[in-house]
This record gives sequence, C-alpha cells and structure tokens, in this order.
Amino acid sequence: HLQLQESGPGLVKTSETLSITCTVSGGSIRNNSYNWGWIRQPPGKGLEWIGSIYYTGTTYYKPSLKSRVTISLDTSKNQFSLKLSSVTAADTAVYYCARDDLLNGLFDFWGQGTLVTVSS
Amino acid sequence: QFVLTQSPSASASLGASVKLTCTLSSGHSSYAIAWHQQQPEKGPRFLMKVNSDGSHTKGDGIPDRFSGSSSGAERYLTISSLQSEDEADYYCQTWGTGIRVFGGGTKLTVL
Repeated sequence: HLQLQESGPGLVKTSETLSITCTVSGGSIRNNSYNWGWIRQPPGKGLEWIGSIYYTGTTYYKPSLKSRVTISLDTSKNQFSLKLSSVTAADTAVYYCARDDLLNGLFDFWGQGTLVTVSS
Repeated sequence: QFVLTQSPSASASLGASVKLTCTLSSGHSSYAIAWHQQQPEKGPRFLMKVNSDGSHTKGDGIPDRFSGSSSGAERYLTISSLQSEDEADYYCQTWGTGIRVFGGGTKLTVL
C-alpha cells in the first residue's frame, strides 16, 4: 500500500529558502512508470502544480515558479525534496507530494500535506 | 493557454444526484482529465480518469456512485445517491508534456 508523507519546517522567514521532503513507503521512487510531484494550496484557495521529477532526475517545473524551484530525489532513502527560494507571504500554503502517473500525467496517490507559513 | 474551467460551487440534496463540469480550453478538447476529491481539512484523493470518449477508470476503492463522462470539451463527474461525506471540493486536472494543470475547483454542498 503506497504512502507518501511530507515533512517540513512549518515556518520559514521571508526571503529564505523553503525545504520539504516527501518520504515514500510501500513502493519505490525508482519505478520507471512514475514521476513524483509537488502541489501546493494557499489557505482557502485551489491546487497549484509546482513541478515533478522522474527517477532519472529529469525535472518539470511550472514556468512561473521555475526560477525559484528545485526538485531533487534521494533514491537511497526513497525520498524526493522541494526547495523554493526567496519566499514571500504568497508562498504560504499546504504543500502536497504526490505520485504522478507517467503515462497519464495524473496524480493518483497523495500525501496528507504539510502547512508552511512564511513570515518575517 | 492551457486552462480548465469549473463552476465555483454546486449543491444538491441528500440522496439525489449531481453532475459537475470541467471545461477544457480551446485546442485541448481531446484531452483526458482526472477528478480529485478534497474533503474538509484533508488532502486530495484521486477519483478517476475521464477520457474524451467518455470512458473512465476509477481509483482504488472509489464507490460505484461516482462516474465520469464527456461531451466535446466538457468532462463530467456524476455523483449519485449523495451522502453527507460527498460534501467536498472537487478538482479536475489535466496534463501535457512537462506540464500539469488544475481547474479552480467546485465546492459541493450536500443539502
């Protein structure tokens, strides 16, 4: 049974870098049928795709966030991570990790999410 | 512009049926979409994939009350025999090479 669990700092200061890790259990991130993605949801708002990574390290980012986003993976720990630099209050959101079906492009398993608040 | 459009809200009575709509932007009418459910204070859950021909494939454990269909650039999610736990936000999602897109979501109220 696949499970994804986000872990993050909870609070990040304005202009600093947000870092969150997703730990995958019940399946391998080296499965060549899937990307692994990050999605966020500001309080009271909808879902926004941030980016996805394939097990080879190939990444795909939302164009408007590309200059500030880095997604990486650690296959030895079965984890993948998100870094978002130069954060502002607009980056305050619940951040979700999810499995991204390579063939279909849909997110078929989601983590529970972690709230990150950006404040000075 | 790759856009999915959803009505912000919908409502229906307990035990009734409701049909939610997701509209693909011009030039993308042949694309498949996914529907996701987000119950209050929870993370999203994948419900199903809906193809342009109206066929759909549901995620694990999704009840038969949930079904999908299509017409032109519109993709639908129909929920029958509405239950209180169906009160949630519903998001459609689609994809292209190196891009993933979400609709704005529909908040479903069960009366």
